[in-house]
This record gives sequence, C-alpha cells and structure tokens, in this order.
Amino acid sequence: KAGVTQTPRYLIKTRGQQVTLSCSPISGHRSVSWYQQTPGQGLQFLFEYFSETQRNKGNFPGRFSGRQFSNSRSEMNVSTLELGDSALYLCASSLSRATNTGELFFGEGSRLTVL
Amino acid sequence: GESVGLHLPTLSVQEGDNSIINCAYSNSASDYFIWYKQESGKGPQFIIDIRSNMDKRQGQRVTVLLNKTVKHLSLQIAATQPGDSAVYFCAENTRDKVIFGPGTSLSVIP
Repeated sequence: KAGVTQTPRYLIKTRGQQVTLSCSPISGHRSVSWYQQTPGQGLQFLFEYFSETQRNKGNFPGRFSGRQFSNSRSEMNVSTLELGDSALYLCASSLSRATNTGELFFGEGSRLTVL
Repeated sequence: GESVGLHLPTLSVQEGDNSIINCAYSNSASDYFIWYKQESGKGPQFIIDIRSNMDKRQGQRVTVLLNKTVKHLSLQIAATQPGDSAVYFCAENTRDKVIFGPGTSLSVIP
C-alpha cells in the first residue's frame, strides 16, 4: 500500500507570491491533516479535512487555506507569502477523524523556502 | 527537558543504555496519547500509543508511561541503538485536534 505522498518536496518562492501544496493520502483514508513544522515552533496544526469538509482549523491567518477533493486528496494554499512561512509542511492521513483514531500517517513533507 | 520554543531539548545516550524521554501535556481532557519518531528528512512515524485508562503500555523495546495526575508522559527505549537517533514527539488527542509536544532530539553515541 502506498504511503502518503506530498508534492512538491522542495520549493522556493519569493515574498508576496502564493503557493499550493498537494497531499495524496493512503488509499481508503478519509481524513487529511496539515501541519507546519519550524525549528522554533515545532509541529503546529493547520487544519483537518474529512469527507471534503474542514473539521478543525488551527491558529493561522486566513492566508492559509485548504481543500479536500472527493478522492480524499487535499491541497493547501498559502497566499501573500511572508519570510516566516518558510517551513516544512507535513500532511497526515488517517482512516477516520484524526482525533478519533490512533495513528496518523505522515508524508515526508514539502519544504518551502520564502526569499 | 522543558522546551522553551527556541531550541530542541537534546538527550545524548550511550549505545546500549536505556533512554527516557519526557513530555508534559496540556489538556486534562485528552484521552489518547501517541509517541512519534521523526528521522532527518522524513515525516513523523508512529511508535506507540496509550489511552487515558492505562498508565503503562509496552511495545518492542519501548514503554510508554502515563501519569494523569501531573499530566506527564514518558517514553522509555531499552538498549538504545544508533538507529534510534531521531526527534521524538508526544501527541495528545483533544476533542478537536491532535496537539504535538515540542519534541526531544535523541542522539545515540556509538
């Protein structure tokens, strides 16, 4: 069974640009969660999608958004990029709601650098 | 160690020794806890979990202890190996989301 796939793995953007990151969950998994990982703040929850609906959202500005498609694939978008958005963005999938299940299965992340 | 949010607590152990990694969680209503291991360049991977109705759970070379009174989790790794070098995160499931601790970097000295 294929694991969680995130694309692109690495990308470089400049301030003010926008970026879209993609996540394909494990087949059969309906929940996709997104996390931002930085050295200073650790793993911070962005949002969770389940059955195409956003179920929870972390404390991030409205520049961060996402969506989930009917095949459970998810995308997140960051608009008007700032230097502080440089981070590793991790996607995790699970069979049911992340808070109701056990293990989260993580992808290897998308490393975003904002110049 | 306690995280201050600016640097990762580090634990260095000799190969073959036992490691103990600690984590304080924040929400007394959390009912499920998981330890994850993150190796360099990879996403976190599940190690072991424990529900709030238990105080100890053992896996292969790993044991998780839960003390709900002081909201504390620990991960014990027996006979630590070089392959155990990684960052370890505890996570708590609250009603609304999964919250990760700041992480501890484990370095194994051969």
